[in-house]
Amino acid sequence: EAGVAQSPRYKIIEKRQSVAFWCNPISGHATLYWYQQILGQGPKLLIQFQNNGVVDDSQLPKDRFSAERLKGVDSTLKIQPAKLEDSAVYLCASSLVGTGERFYGYTFGSGTRLTVV
Amino acid sequence: GIQVEQSPPDLILQEGANSTLRCNFSDSVNNLQWFHQNPWGQLINLFYIPSGTKQNGRLSATTVATERYSLLYISSSQTTDSGVYFCAVVSYYGQNFVFGPGTRLSVLP
Repeated sequence: EAGVAQSPRYKIIEKRQSVAFWCNPISGHATLYWYQQILGQGPKLLIQFQNNGVVDDSQLPKDRFSAERLKGVDSTLKIQPAKLEDSAVYLCASSLVGTGERFYGYTFGSGTRLTVV
Repeated sequence: GIQVEQSPPDLILQEGANSTLRCNFSDSVNNLQWFHQNPWGQLINLFYIPSGTKQNGRLSATTVATERYSLLYISSSQTTDSGVYFCAVVSYYGQNFVFGPGTRLSVLP
């Protein structure tokens, strides 16, 4: 079974530039998540999709971050304009279902390491 | 929201040694999972353990939900066990994981 695919693997940009990350979840996984992991910390959820609808985006900095999941499959996360503090690893995960009790088949991608200079 | 603490923050072991990692959480949970993040950044699910005890090879985990803590045991550690171990919980009132800060484990040959 193919895993969660993310690209690019690394990205270096200057502050105030824009950047986009791509994620393709495991086939059949209805729920998709984007996390931000700052160096030395645990991942923090940015946004959760159920199919192509947003379930939770309470921690997404909406003034500069946006995400979409067209057709309920792959997803893109965009930052515009980037700030120095956005330097982090951006992880995508997917699961069959996303409920409070269990996340069946919860699987992370390898992440995109963003450096803002 | 729910708070998750992990200890110790860093742990250095000689290969073959045993270790215990701890996760404390501040509220009732209906989901608790342990993850291992390897040195290349990949997060792997180790255990789904909101309560009780489970074992998988050299790893085992115990969660005492009434006392709001979970323990991850690593026996006969190997260099491939190195990385960061995260505890992640979902509270009864939440619907997504909250991750702890992690325990960074280094196993020396």
